[in-house]
Amino acid sequence: QKEVEQNSGPLSVPEGAIASLNCTYSDRGSQSFFWYRQYSGKSPELIMSIYSNGDKEDGRFTAQLNKASQYVSLLIRDSQPSDSATYLCAVTGNYQLIWGAGTKLIIKP
Amino acid sequence: DAGITQSPRYKITETGRQVTLMCHQTWSHSYMFWYRQDLGHGLRLIYYSAAADITDKGEVPDGYVVSRSKTENFPLTLESATRSQTSVYFCASWSGQETQYFGPGTRLLVL
Repeated sequence: QKEVEQNSGPLSVPEGAIASLNCTYSDRGSQSFFWYRQYSGKSPELIMSIYSNGDKEDGRFTAQLNKASQYVSLLIRDSQPSDSATYLCAVTGNYQLIWGAGTKLIIKP
Repeated sequence: DAGITQSPRYKITETGRQVTLMCHQTWSHSYMFWYRQDLGHGLRLIYYSAAADITDKGEVPDGYVVSRSKTENFPLTLESATRSQTSVYFCASWSGQETQYFGPGTRLLVL
């Protein structure tokens, strides 16, 4: 069965520090990888997508992909209290997305 | 407004009743999905549809029925609601490129 694993947290990070979120996946055939942010009581929203090995930067967010190790990560620089949310990792598989259970991130002022 | 909408946003029902959750998207995306989200389980796929009149089961389809007579609508029906179906339900759509976009969710409580 195809799986996506995330540490459920909570991960507590001081304001202004770097938050590092990790995700591993089981399907070597996966081609597309996504990070979603979900605030409490809201729907998931896409914040980063990555398709090839290496780093992809967008503002304070950097996604990193290592297909050989089946590992994808999200770095959030200069963390803000507004970054406090649950972060969901999703990986493509057969026209569906395979979802991790999410990591709860808490940014402490 | 363009996007994906769900109705109702909140629903309270009783065990054994039939409930239908509505989902409508204005992008003409081919794919649509229904998920449920419970604490400790993340998002679990109930059913998905690749096009009008094409539907398929996801991870947790038991107790649910879907239909897709029009591309823009994808209703989810609980034929006889049970307490274990208390959850937050999300509808999503996908063009086949990039990723899925979610509706605002429906919070369902089954008493």
